[in-house]
Amino acid sequence: GQNIDQPTEMTATEGAIVQINCTYQTSGFNGLFWYQQHAGEAPTFLSYNVLDGLEEKGRFSSFLSRSKGYSYLLLKELQMKDSASYLCAPMDSNYQLIWGAGTKLIIKP
Amino acid sequence: GAVVSQHPSRVICKSGTSVKIECRSLDFQATTMFWYRQFPKQSLMLMATSNEGSKATYEQGVEKDKFLINHASLTLSTLTVTSAHPEDSSFYICSARDLQGAAYNEQFFGPGTRLTVL
Repeated sequence: GQNIDQPTEMTATEGAIVQINCTYQTSGFNGLFWYQQHAGEAPTFLSYNVLDGLEEKGRFSSFLSRSKGYSYLLLKELQMKDSASYLCAPMDSNYQLIWGAGTKLIIKP
Repeated sequence: GAVVSQHPSRVICKSGTSVKIECRSLDFQATTMFWYRQFPKQSLMLMATSNEGSKATYEQGVEKDKFLINHASLTLSTLTVTSAHPEDSSFYICSARDLQGAAYNEQFFGPGTRLTVL
């Protein structure tokens, strides 16, 4: 079957760094997306990895290891507005996104 | 670019009535549109995938006669919840993808529609 495993909830301090891990199993693989979702809102695109390695984009970086079925999202210089759910979504062989429940990130002052 | 709109953003209706939700890609042609449903604190659940000009493909367990999807043009898809019941109350989100134009095959999401059935 296809599944995603992410921590349910994480807490971090404003200004700090946090890493959200994701392991996945899919039927085929066409890259992996990270989305941010604030409560009551739709997801917004953060990053995409299709090759192994680190992709850096401002305060956010995303890493992928295809052989391990593993990805992480790294958030630096955390701000209060970063409090949200972070969704790891790999794309399977049919170009369908596979969704988990996401990781709720709580930022404390 | 890559903006997707949804209308209405919020709707309250009586049990037994039908509700139509529109999803539009504003600045690109969406070859494929997706309809999701999300219950509180749960993951996005794909309901159906629609390609312009063809019938939607529904996920297992989703009643196609209850959730009518029309994708008549490259910029518009509609979801009609027929004979809505309180258990249909949820957050409905559409997304659109342009395989020809996008760099990553990413899906661009609409802002969602909060449906409450009384």
